[in-house]
Amino acid sequence: GQQLNQSPQSMFIQEGEDVSMNCTSSSIFNTWLWYKQDPGEGPVLLIALYKAGELTSNGRLTAQFGITRKDSFLNISASIPSDVGIYFCAGQEYQLIWGAGTKLIIKP
Amino acid sequence: DTGVSQNPRHKITKRGQNVTFRCDPISEHNRLYWYRQTLGQGPEFLTYFQNEAQLEKSRLLSDRFSAERPKGSFSTLEIQRTEQGDSAMYLCASSLGKGTYSGANVLTFGAGSRLTVL
Repeated sequence: GQQLNQSPQSMFIQEGEDVSMNCTSSSIFNTWLWYKQDPGEGPVLLIALYKAGELTSNGRLTAQFGITRKDSFLNISASIPSDVGIYFCAGQEYQLIWGAGTKLIIKP
Repeated sequence: DTGVSQNPRHKITKRGQNVTFRCDPISEHNRLYWYRQTLGQGPEFLTYFQNEAQLEKSRLLSDRFSAERPKGSFSTLEIQRTEQGDSAMYLCASSLGKGTYSGANVLTFGAGSRLTVL
């Protein structure tokens, strides 16, 4: 099915580093969502963005809805071990269209 | 309310058998969605209900897949004559939606039902 282009596919970082990931699409979306999924669990919503240009924070997480409505990014500041997991972007028009995920791994 | 509940969490079956998964959404949510997720991919939309009405089912993978939500509360997803390619995580989500379209909703997901077809 249709998917967004999400990058990077995976990230190996040191604890305390900042993380940045993004999603792009050829389609315009009305809503961008960022979810995190832990192994064996369903995705959990982190941030929802409803307006082009919107910048929203949730603790150490910050996400932006691109001005063209075709992209979004998620930043995590000062990463900690519990940030490990797979992060998915999803664009919503009538239905959710998902990226393939960014796997975050923290080096010991 | 403990969120979206799915069971069983894991199901191992032999090829050709039928399987059924159940989803209990958040009680005040009127919309319920089924997704399939394979390893290394994002969730893939299958179908959704608004109350008891199935508003979109064209994305169900084949006629072996069917879903019901008879009373507008819990839902079941059945796969008949399972094939090895059906092995995946089946996710249910619910939302408090308005209007005809599934847009402008924030979905809450269950933990999923993992199917392994031998």
